[in-house]
Amino acid sequence: DTGVSQDPRHKITKRGQNVTFRCDPISEHNRLYWYRQTLGQGPEFLTYFQNEAQLEKSRLLSDRFSAERPKGSFSTLEIQRTEQGDSAMYLCASGGPWGGEQYFGPGTRLTVT
Amino acid sequence: QQQVKQSPQSLIVQKGGIPIINCAYENTAFDYFPWYQQFPGKGPALLIAIRPDVSEKKEGRFTISFNKSAKQFSLHIMDSQPGDSATYFCAASEGNYQLIWGAGTKLIIKP
Repeated sequence: DTGVSQDPRHKITKRGQNVTFRCDPISEHNRLYWYRQTLGQGPEFLTYFQNEAQLEKSRLLSDRFSAERPKGSFSTLEIQRTEQGDSAMYLCASGGPWGGEQYFGPGTRLTVT
Repeated sequence: QQQVKQSPQSLIVQKGGIPIINCAYENTAFDYFPWYQQFPGKGPALLIAIRPDVSEKKEGRFTISFNKSAKQFSLHIMDSQPGDSATYFCAASEGNYQLIWGAGTKLIIKP
């Protein structure tokens, strides 16, 4: 399968714990995006990487959220001191150097209890 | 100015009918307009996309109509099937930056 992959698919954690999600983009895609989606809503932008550079970050993104893409390949999204409001589907998307297309992975469903 | 407004919120169509979903935007700098299909528990899947230099694009049973002067675009699904039942999102972006999403349309195709 050459699509975007995300790990884990599901994560249940207790409030206050830290969690980390991984995204592997389509190979050779230099653009990588993280979005968050709650039930019944459209995805909400979190951050954008071009290669290893983080070019855009939502102003709504709490300081508890951090993302990295160390070698311009896979990316990680960490949430520190999770809160119940962080419960959502976290989506990763990637795109090639030409065009605006973004291809999404299956998402990681986070539940904070 | 960053919003994309999508309607209707939900839509029920008989099999074989042509559901039409509409979106409107304000930001004239947007230059890429995709439509995504999402099934419950899955990530959005890119269906079809258009740029403002064309007024219509067709891929299989899916057609985008684009009206640059009205700042509106729409998705038509020809010969709709029960398997098309899903939530559809329009979106827009400027350059390669973040997608700005509509609120989604829950489509049900009745057999």
